[in-house]
Amino acid sequence: QQQVKQSPQSLIVQKGGISIINCAYENTAFDYFPWYQQFPGKGPALLIAIRPDVSEKKEGRFTISFNKSAKQFSLHIMDSQPGDSATYFCAANKAAGNKLTFGGGTRVLVKP
Amino acid sequence: GAVVSQHPSRVICKSGTSVKIECRSLDFQATTMFWYRQFPKQSLMLMATSNEGSKATYEQGVEKDKFLINHASLTLSTLTVTSAHPEDSSFYICSVNGGRREKLFFGSGTQLSVL
Repeated sequence: QQQVKQSPQSLIVQKGGISIINCAYENTAFDYFPWYQQFPGKGPALLIAIRPDVSEKKEGRFTISFNKSAKQFSLHIMDSQPGDSATYFCAANKAAGNKLTFGGGTRVLVKP
Repeated sequence: GAVVSQHPSRVICKSGTSVKIECRSLDFQATTMFWYRQFPKQSLMLMATSNEGSKATYEQGVEKDKFLINHASLTLSTLTVTSAHPEDSSFYICSVNGGRREKLFFGSGTQLSVL
């Protein structure tokens, strides 16, 4: 059972455009929702994270929107740049254990 | 600088050989480390949780005799793929728990190719 569903699988956006990636989760015990950025041949790196008591969090060009009642959260990349071309993973975590459950990933290509 | 050091970054081996991958925590002592496996264009799948000084906890479906994990110190965990076969070819990634969920850092990964 896939506990975190991510869409779309891939995304092409023009430079300067907005990239939007959506995730939905099932387990209401999740209380921490990070986004990771992964470049080819590298491990993931934490981009931004949110907890369910906040509906939105912004860091630079990256914004997470969180809808607790719908059990959905999304990543918005504003003013997308070619250097943002990477695979993005949403994830979810329960309070105990620190295990991360990852979404399926979204490959983002920003065209110059 | 890097918080987690993972070596080697790439290894090619013959079928039937064993391969050891090291994961080192550089900035803090880690009682818990995680090992993931990632196939091309797919997500990360947790294989096991490595606990310092005790046996690793394996996820369902992961063969513990195939993937040996040793967490002998607070800064080092190793994953040994025993008697590797072509189907074991994958990208293996470790992560280190820095004590808070925001402090979960990933290694740079090891690309294993079994011929």
